Amino acid sequence: DQQVKQNSPSLSVQEGRISILNCDYTNSMFDYFLWYKKYPAEGPTFLISISSIKDKNEDGRFTVFLNKSAKHLSLHIVPSQPGDSAVYFCAASDLKDTGRRALTFGSGTRLQVQP
Amino acid sequence: DTGVSQDPRHKITKRGQNVTFRCDPISEHNRLYWYRQTLGQGPEFLTYFQNEAQLEKSRLLSDRFSAERPKGSFSTLEIQRTEQGDSAMYLCASSPPGLAENIQYFGAGTRLSVL
Repeated sequence: DQQVKQNSPSLSVQEGRISILNCDYTNSMFDYFLWYKKYPAEGPTFLISISSIKDKNEDGRFTVFLNKSAKHLSLHIVPSQPGDSAVYFCAASDLKDTGRRALTFGSGTRLQVQP
Repeated sequence: DTGVSQDPRHKITKRGQNVTFRCDPISEHNRLYWYRQTLGQGPEFLTYFQNEAQLEKSRLLSDRFSAERPKGSFSTLEIQRTEQGDSAMYLCASSPPGLAENIQYFGAGTRLSVL
């Protein structure tokens, strides 16, 4: 039972254009959402996050949008650059009884930015 | 380098052998997590430490797996009697106390290949 889904395994965009990566979730207990970027042979690197009390968070070229009613979030990259080519993971967080902030990851979307 | 450090980066072993991985979290991060990632999937939670206490273990963590964090600093993950199905990337992450705990910072991982 996948609680976090990234339905697009891959995405290709031209340099300078917008990249939009999508993520859907099913668990209403998730209250914090994150995007990680992963280059080959490296661990996931935190990119941007959003609390469930907000619907938008922006950091430079990166903006995350959250639609709670649709249980959907998206990451916009504008303008896209070749260095953005990587696998992007969506993660959703909820608080467990143990005090652990649990992260549930999607399966990732491979973004290729063409020069 | 003040990020999460994992050692070794790669491990090749024969089926039935024992292996041990080490993780050094970011200084002052009291929370430490182990994840496993297989090809085409996002990281899956294995176990969680708060300081030296192991507070949570996933059902993915069979009896052949054991993890320790003896002094609340570095952690080790041991797999006994390895099986081919154990081949994966093992990721360690850490997070600080307080509100910033929502963000987990990952190491580069240890890639295990069981022949």
